[in-house]
Amino acid sequence: EAGVVQSPRYKIIEKKQPVAFWCNPISGHNTLYWYLQNLGQGPELLIRYENEEAVDDSQLPKDRFSAERLKGVDSTLKIQPAELGDSAVYLCASSLGGVYPSEQFFGPGTRLTVL
Amino acid sequence: AQSVTQLGSHVSVSEGALVLLRCNYSSSVPPYLFWYVQYPNQGLQLLLKYTTGATLVKGINGFEAEFKKSETSFHLTKPSAHMSDAAEYFCAVSPPPNTGNQFYFGTGTSLTVIP
Repeated sequence: EAGVVQSPRYKIIEKKQPVAFWCNPISGHNTLYWYLQNLGQGPELLIRYENEEAVDDSQLPKDRFSAERLKGVDSTLKIQPAELGDSAVYLCASSLGGVYPSEQFFGPGTRLTVL
Repeated sequence: AQSVTQLGSHVSVSEGALVLLRCNYSSSVPPYLFWYVQYPNQGLQLLLKYTTGATLVKGINGFEAEFKKSETSFHLTKPSAHMSDAAEYFCAVSPPPNTGNQFYFGTGTSLTVIP
């Protein structure tokens, strides 16, 4: 069974440029999460989807960050414009819906460097 | 409110020695607790979880953890460290059902195994 797939694995951009990250969750997983992981820190939730609905986006900086999960499968996280402080690892995770607590399966992450 | 404290951001042990990684939680109600491991440039992988029932939980790779409600702790142990155990370890807490399956992660403990 394929795990959570993320791309790209690494991205280097200059500040003020846009960037997008893509996530393909495990097949059948209704819940999808985007986390931000700063160096030396644990993951922090940015947004959680139940199918195609964003049910928790309270920690998403909406002035520059946006996310979508069309058709309730793949998801894209976008930053526009990127700032130096956005340099971090962006993790995607998925879990089964309707089961609690549901183990979250993580992708390898996208390491973003903003110059 | 949920929070997790991991004491010791770096722990070093000799190969074959006992591994003890500390985790204390703060929760107004009994939470569910998890330990994840993260190898370099990889996503997080579940080691073990406590939901209900037996307070001593066994996980993969010989790790186990004991839920102690009176001490609000969920420390991770392994009797004999192996070189392959070198990684970052995260404790996480999840609130009771019907509150979103959101995980709150600690800041992590980096385990070094000395040959």
